[in-house]
Amino acid sequence: GAGVSQSPSNKVTEKGKDVELRCDPISGHTALYWYRQSLGQGLEFLIYFQGNSAPDKSGLPSDRFSAERTGGSVSTLTIQRTQQEDSAVYLCASSLGTAETQYFGPGTRLLVL
Amino acid sequence: GDSVTQMEGPVTLSEEAFLTINCTYTATGYPSLFWYVQYPGEGLQLLLKATKADDKGSNKGFEATYRKETTSFHLEKGSVQVSDSAVYFCALYNFNKFYFGSGTKLNVKP
Repeated sequence: GAGVSQSPSNKVTEKGKDVELRCDPISGHTALYWYRQSLGQGLEFLIYFQGNSAPDKSGLPSDRFSAERTGGSVSTLTIQRTQQEDSAVYLCASSLGTAETQYFGPGTRLLVL
Repeated sequence: GDSVTQMEGPVTLSEEAFLTINCTYTATGYPSLFWYVQYPGEGLQLLLKATKADDKGSNKGFEATYRKETTSFHLEKGSVQVSDSAVYFCALYNFNKFYFGSGTKLNVKP
């Protein structure tokens, strides 16, 4: 069946521009997670959704980052006024519930020039 | 706060060698522990997991035992293959959050 998909797969932007990253989870998965993976680093947890609500936003690096999820399905991660240190691979994962196995998408590689 | 520490790579082994990748964790309560693997050009996928102390997770010849007394979840395989070459991530789940280690790259040479 279809896995987690993310778009775009690659994004190059100029410093100061806004970007929007999209995640389509596996159908029926209620939990959705966003991570950031910088070069040579592990995964940094950003935010998770249970349904449409995000109980814990403490992982977002700054107030330039925001995320939303609508209809219990698609989620978007928005980065405003991008900075060069935002360059990373942004990964999305979904699971049936918050304690269940996560299924990862292929990621969006963001490069801020 | 909760965290995961795993051995730095890269680890280079010959085919059929024994593999150990160390992982230790810091956490309150009773976390679940995972190993994820990322093969070249692919996304992360679950390799194995253990949800309570003394549980052993196993898959594809890999094993890891949840050791609460040593706060460890070391990954082992008795005989690695070239196809096992990948990056391996140790992770912990606790209070609705996942924490990942920095990953260990494994290179297996024929």
